[in-house]
Amino acid sequence: NAGVTQTPKFRVLKTGQSMTLLCAQDMNHEYMYWYRQDPGMGLRLIHYSVGEGTTAKGEVPDGYNVSRLKKQNFLLGLESAAPSQTSVYFCASSYVTGTQFNEQFFGPGTRLTVL
Amino acid sequence: KNQVEQSPQSLIILEGKNCTLQCNYTVSPFSNLRWYKQDTGRGPVSLTIMTFSENTKSNGRYTATLDADTKQSSLHITASQLSDSASYICVVSGILTGGGNKLTFGTGTQLKVEL
Repeated sequence: NAGVTQTPKFRVLKTGQSMTLLCAQDMNHEYMYWYRQDPGMGLRLIHYSVGEGTTAKGEVPDGYNVSRLKKQNFLLGLESAAPSQTSVYFCASSYVTGTQFNEQFFGPGTRLTVL
Repeated sequence: KNQVEQSPQSLIILEGKNCTLQCNYTVSPFSNLRWYKQDTGRGPVSLTIMTFSENTKSNGRYTATLDADTKQSSLHITASQLSDSASYICVVSGILTGGGNKLTFGTGTQLKVEL
């Protein structure tokens, strides 16, 4: 199993450009999450999904959109990139276990720079 | 405001020595507390998960403790190895609307193990 994979690994954008980050998981997880990690700050939740066709806002959703058309994929879109969106983006997925643990498995990250 | 604070911010130790990392949190409601290891350029990987009723949990050379009354946790690393060099992140879990875990991340302790 590949676990959680992210595409691309690195990207440089100019202000105003758009792009889509792709997250894929092969563990048949129901829940998927997008986070961003900035220097001196903990990871922050952007959007999440509790199942195919459903998405919800997290802590810092402004400037991002997401889609979960297939259970195994979770897409994060930037419609008009801004320098403040320069960050490392992590995708994660987790089981629905009926317990409180719901271990989250993280992808390797996408390093995005907006000039 | 939910917060997770870690200390020290960074730490350098010699190979074979022990060390203890600290975490204080003010997250409410509280579901469980997790410690993650994040290697440079990689996504976080879970080390331990504890509920409020557990006060210690081990994973090999890693031992986490939790005092839910004082809202403090520690991660003790025994007989450190060069491969332990990484960022160690304390994460407190609540519940997201609709399911899944809302994770509040600390900023991490950057550990470097030297010969």
